[in-house]
Amino acid sequence: QVQLQESGPGLVKPSETLSLTCAVSGYSISSGYYWGWIRQPPGKGLEWIGSIYHSGSTYYNPSLKSRVTISVDTSKNQFSLKLSSVTAADTAVYYCARSPDYWGQGTLVTVSS
Amino acid sequence: QLVLTQSPSASASLGASVKLTCTLSSGHSSYAIAWHQQQPEKGPRYLMKLNSDGSHSKGDGIPDRFSGSSSGAERYLTISSLQSEDEADYYCQTWGTGIGVFGGGTKLTVL
Repeated sequence: QVQLQESGPGLVKPSETLSLTCAVSGYSISSGYYWGWIRQPPGKGLEWIGSIYHSGSTYYNPSLKSRVTISVDTSKNQFSLKLSSVTAADTAVYYCARSPDYWGQGTLVTVSS
Repeated sequence: QLVLTQSPSASASLGASVKLTCTLSSGHSSYAIAWHQQQPEKGPRYLMKLNSDGSHSKGDGIPDRFSGSSSGAERYLTISSLQSEDEADYYCQTWGTGIGVFGGGTKLTVL
């Protein structure tokens, strides 16, 4: 059974960098699939942030591309998200996922001073 | 531009059937999609991957009441024998060379 678990700070100050990690168990990231980050602002729909392929190729939402970095650590079987220069509009539940079939439980990140 | 369009809301009675629609933008009618369910206060749950020919593969433990079909640029999710726990938001998702896109979601109310 594939499982994903997000971790990282729940509170980030405006203008700082949001950093999250997704630990994967039950499947080796290096074996295949796209691994991605999705977010959901309170009361709104799902927004795709970006993905990384097992080979290391990355793909980002054009609206966030200038601020997003996704990386993978195959030795730890985990991948990470960095979103820079955050504002209150980046407050959301952040999910990691193996596209399209497995999701993490999500973690709420609030941007506030 | 790759876009998915969903109706914002739908409703149906307990025990009845409902068919939700996800429409692919022009030029993308051959794309596969995935359907996800999000119950209130919970994270999304993968339901199925649906191909342009209507073939689909469901996630672990997804009941037979959930099925998918396709026609042209439209992708459908049919839920039969509606139960109260089916009241949820339903999202479609597609992808093109790594780029992901979500539809706006359909809020299903079970009457």
